Amino acid sequence: GAVVSQHPSRVICKSGTSVKIECRSLDFQATTMFWYRQFPKQSLMLMATSNEGSKATYEQGVEKDKFLINHASLTLSTLTVTSAHPEDSSFYICSARGSLANEQYFGPGTRLTVT
Amino acid sequence: RKEVEQDPGPFNVPEGATVAFNCTYSNSASQSFFWYRQDCRKEPKLLMSVYSSGNEDGRFTAQLNRASQYISLLIRDSKLSDSATYLCVVKSIFGTGTRLKVLA
Repeated sequence: GAVVSQHPSRVICKSGTSVKIECRSLDFQATTMFWYRQFPKQSLMLMATSNEGSKATYEQGVEKDKFLINHASLTLSTLTVTSAHPEDSSFYICSARGSLANEQYFGPGTRLTVT
Repeated sequence: RKEVEQDPGPFNVPEGATVAFNCTYSNSASQSFFWYRQDCRKEPKLLMSVYSSGNEDGRFTAQLNRASQYISLLIRDSKLSDSATYLCVVKSIFGTGTRLKVLA
């Protein structure tokens, strides 16, 4: 299947700093990318959906000024957690969808710990 | 009502058993349905798409009931390696997942 990479896989940062997570589709063009967050023992919560070249659509309750999403190319989307707080500590997963709208491919996830 | 709902389980079944999970959804206009499998601390992996006519892949059968707005996943002849959390996805929204434990 298609490959989606995320970087970094783990990051520890201090409260108040910003962290950028990259999501890349390695062997296909991702017209749509999704960002999810998963807290321990909970399901994946969709944070936002982004289409290449346009602004992301955020789910209710997700602060767009805190979670900045950029989808500047068909193979790269970034999520920046600004002014991170300990409660932002979570597992962030991206997924990408290409021209075949019926499947999404997931990245391996990024574990963020804010101290 | 949540957009996508699943019984969290856990479902503890012996090896060789048949087990079925349901997943209900609230948006009747939904067109895309999937089952994913997630192992502990790993990313979800696509198990199978769910087609209107139902579909089968080996021991796994997925069905869609539009009238009652649910999808189902049936696993026959359960293996120990089937132990995982099974997540239904309806139009990019994940259910809470159902934990399955297959016991020796």
